[in-house]
Amino acid sequence: GAVVSQHPSWVICKSGTSVKIECRSLDFQATTMFWYRQFPKQSLMLMATSNEGSKATYEQGVEKDKFLINHASLTLSTLTVTSAHPEDSSFYICSASPRTTEAFFGQGTRLTVV
Amino acid sequence: AQKVTQAQTEISVVEKEDVTLDCVYETRDTTYYLFWYKQPPSGELVFLIRRNSFDEQNEISGRYSWNFQKSTSSFNFTITASQVVDSAVYFCALLVHGSGNTGKLIFGQGTTLQVKP
Repeated sequence: GAVVSQHPSWVICKSGTSVKIECRSLDFQATTMFWYRQFPKQSLMLMATSNEGSKATYEQGVEKDKFLINHASLTLSTLTVTSAHPEDSSFYICSASPRTTEAFFGQGTRLTVV
Repeated sequence: AQKVTQAQTEISVVEKEDVTLDCVYETRDTTYYLFWYKQPPSGELVFLIRRNSFDEQNEISGRYSWNFQKSTSSFNFTITASQVVDSAVYFCALLVHGSGNTGKLIFGQGTTLQVKP
């Protein structure tokens, strides 16, 4: 299957700082990638759809100025959590696919804001 | 509206027991895909199976089997002779088509399976 790599696997940052998470498709090109967030013992919730070369599409209730998404190439999407606060602590995971009927996930990033 | 319901929040079984995880979905699309993923404590999502809406054949893969019933909008997952390594959170998901050629997943709430030795 297709390989999606996410980095870093975990990060601890101070409140008020920004954190960047990378999502790469290693063996295919992805015009679309998806970012999900998962709080402890909860399901995965779609945050936004990342579109190569254009603006991301955010789900209702997700602050686009706080969660900046950049999809500058066909193999890389980045999610930047700006001015992070403890309530942003969560598990963030991306997905991508060479075809619209599949979904391959990165390893996820566990963000802790202290 | 698109929705996936996994009514079982937690299931606990003893090793070697069979266990079935339920999944009920809602969609108005005639073409859709259903998935099952396993999420171990490490967090990554492990793909188990994908099924399209036109293929109602049940599938078996080793100790895993899936029962897809369009009449009841269900896609249940059975683990036969469960093992401790099966302990994880299992998610059922529905793939719907967004704008253009994109597709995004809608996840159920997940079922935590604990297999005791």
